[in-house]
Amino acid sequence: EIVMTQSPATLSVSPGERATLSCRASQSVNNNLAWYQQKPGQVPRLLIYDASTRATGIPARFSGSGSGTDFTLTISSLQSEDFAVYYCQQYKSWPLTFGGGTKVEIK
Amino acid sequence: EVQLVESGGGLVQPGGSLRLSCSASGFTFSSYAIHWVRQAPGKGLEFVSAISSNGGSTFYSDSVTGRFTISRDNSKNTLYLQMSSLRAEDTAVYYCVKDGPPGRFGYHYDHWGQGTLVTVSS
Repeated sequence: EIVMTQSPATLSVSPGERATLSCRASQSVNNNLAWYQQKPGQVPRLLIYDASTRATGIPARFSGSGSGTDFTLTISSLQSEDFAVYYCQQYKSWPLTFGGGTKVEIK
Repeated sequence: EVQLVESGGGLVQPGGSLRLSCSASGFTFSSYAIHWVRQAPGKGLEFVSAISSNGGSTFYSDSVTGRFTISRDNSKNTLYLQMSSLRAEDTAVYYCVKDGPPGRFGYHYDHWGQGTLVTVSS
């Protein structure tokens, strides 16, 4: 099983600042990586797939990068609606696995 | 509009059984793989099981193998998860999620249901 490790667990950021979230895979997943956003009480929402492709309707301030084992989700200028938990997921091999999440909170 | 509506959750005693259903609409159900993903209270996301578009292939997480069975009825646009020998650690919201492009099996999740809560407790 591929283990996905996200860091940091919590990220405190002021509105308007840049946020950088990391995700590391225990072995190469090529570019088979997605990012999801989950707000309290809501269903997860797909942000990025294939490591760097924004999903339909996702604002350009969200960007993904990386390949192999190291990936980054960048939110260029945090808006109030971006404070949430973010998960990465690999779909290179079964079982599909998620990282433990990074909570982005208001500083 | 893609819709996935789960049902069948509830309170069950340890060792008991439950069957979850997921009714799909707004897309050609028979063309897509569908998964179950769960989230324990206050915890992260966990893959549970997946089934290919024609039902011919299935996958399970190690934690549910031998206890859960996934199936689908493409004539009814419905996905099922038969859960048995339930444990306290199975307590979670169970989401029905649609796999990526048609014909792919094991991809990102572009649509999620609202989830159904399963509570295993005496």
